[in-house]
Amino acid sequence: GIQVEQSPPDLILQEGANSTLRCNFSDSVNNLQWFHQNPWGQLINLFYIPSGTKQNGRLSATTVATERYSLLYISSSQTTDSGVYFCAVSMGGGNKLTFGTGTQLKVEL
Amino acid sequence: GAVVSQHPSRVICKSGTSVKIECRSLDFQATTMFWYRQFPKQSLMLMATSNEGSKATYEQGVEKDKFLINHASLTLSTLTVTSAHPEDSSFYICSASGGGRGGYSNQPQHFGDGTRLSIL
Repeated sequence: GIQVEQSPPDLILQEGANSTLRCNFSDSVNNLQWFHQNPWGQLINLFYIPSGTKQNGRLSATTVATERYSLLYISSSQTTDSGVYFCAVSMGGGNKLTFGTGTQLKVEL
Repeated sequence: GAVVSQHPSRVICKSGTSVKIECRSLDFQATTMFWYRQFPKQSLMLMATSNEGSKATYEQGVEKDKFLINHASLTLSTLTVTSAHPEDSSFYICSASGGGRGGYSNQPQHFGDGTRLSIL
């Protein structure tokens, strides 16, 4: 099956710093989503981005489908950004998501 | 829009008990729902795909007799963990897609808040 690797696995930032999270996938995909899982386990939809670039406030994402990667940018980080960030992809005719390995982010004061 | 409600949020019960988890799409029709399992410090793993009015499709290694899935309407899917044991303790989370049957549509998935299951 498709492999989805995220980097870095762990990241500690000072409040106000910027960061880039990366998601590499091993095959062509037709769906890619970024999620933030908060400390209570809730998965928050950040972006549905199979290709191109999107922005939502301090967050933006870019997917280069031909090169099989996606990037999530977090600017001016806040402590509430802490949690685990997952990318998830699906391929072919189905919509079953394969989740990446995740990036654990901690934002400190 | 695209709200998915999952209930209960937490269950603690004795070994041997069967536990039912509900997943509802509140403001859209979900032709396909998905059930995931997450162990601590790990990623989410797909367990099964649930299609309204038909049998669920289980991923390799998932016991269909252990994890019973019913998708009787376009807004409700249930997961029943039968005769639960401590090794079934985990975080279970559902998602719903408004796409075509079998998930054959590139629609984003919307997730419930999850159910934390603890078997004593």
